[in-house]
Amino acid sequence: NAGVTQTPKFRVLKTGQSMTLLCAQDMNHEYMYWYRQDPGMGLRLIHYSVGEGTTAKGEVPDGYNVSRLKKQNFLLGLESAAPSQTSVYFCASRPPQGARTEAFFGQGTRLTVV
Amino acid sequence: AQSVTQPDIHITVSEGASLELRCNYSYGATPYLFWYVQSPGQGLQLLLKYFSGDTLVQGIKGFEAEFKRSQSSFNLRKPSVHWSDAAEYFCAGNPNFGNEKLTFGTGTRLTIIP
Repeated sequence: NAGVTQTPKFRVLKTGQSMTLLCAQDMNHEYMYWYRQDPGMGLRLIHYSVGEGTTAKGEVPDGYNVSRLKKQNFLLGLESAAPSQTSVYFCASRPPQGARTEAFFGQGTRLTVV
Repeated sequence: AQSVTQPDIHITVSEGASLELRCNYSYGATPYLFWYVQSPGQGLQLLLKYFSGDTLVQGIKGFEAEFKRSQSSFNLRKPSVHWSDAAEYFCAGNPNFGNEKLTFGTGTRLTIIP
């Protein structure tokens, strides 16, 4: 079982470059999330999706865009990367029962913006 | 804002001693609450969850947590810690069913000393 897979696992960007992080889940989950993890800040919610074709803002959405064109994929885009976006990014998914259920996490993407 | 708070950034405990990690929540209604653990360089794993019923919930790896409405708390406990429990622990919450916005506290790093 693959679970939640994040691509890539590591990336170094130059300031101003763009990139897309891919999150794929094979559990037929409805809900998907993108978080960033920074020392002392815990996990902060960037954007989330409650179903195919829907997205919603989290706590720190500025500088990021997302899309959920297919149920199994949730893409996180950085249009113009900034050093402040250096972080570890985690994707998670949850089954249709939503709020009562466990979130399953990917292994993370370590992004450095220089 | 609706959220969870972890007041302890870092806790050090001797192996074999008891452990209590604190989590406070600020939601209008009874929220859905979770504890996750993250080992170094890894994703997050669910320890336990609460959404109704018995206020003392049992989890994996010998952990338990108690929901106290009067104190707006959901503290994690373990009677006797093992060196392998050294990790970062996150409390997380959903406001209620139908609101799948899952947010995390800032985490508590647990160090175990011999």
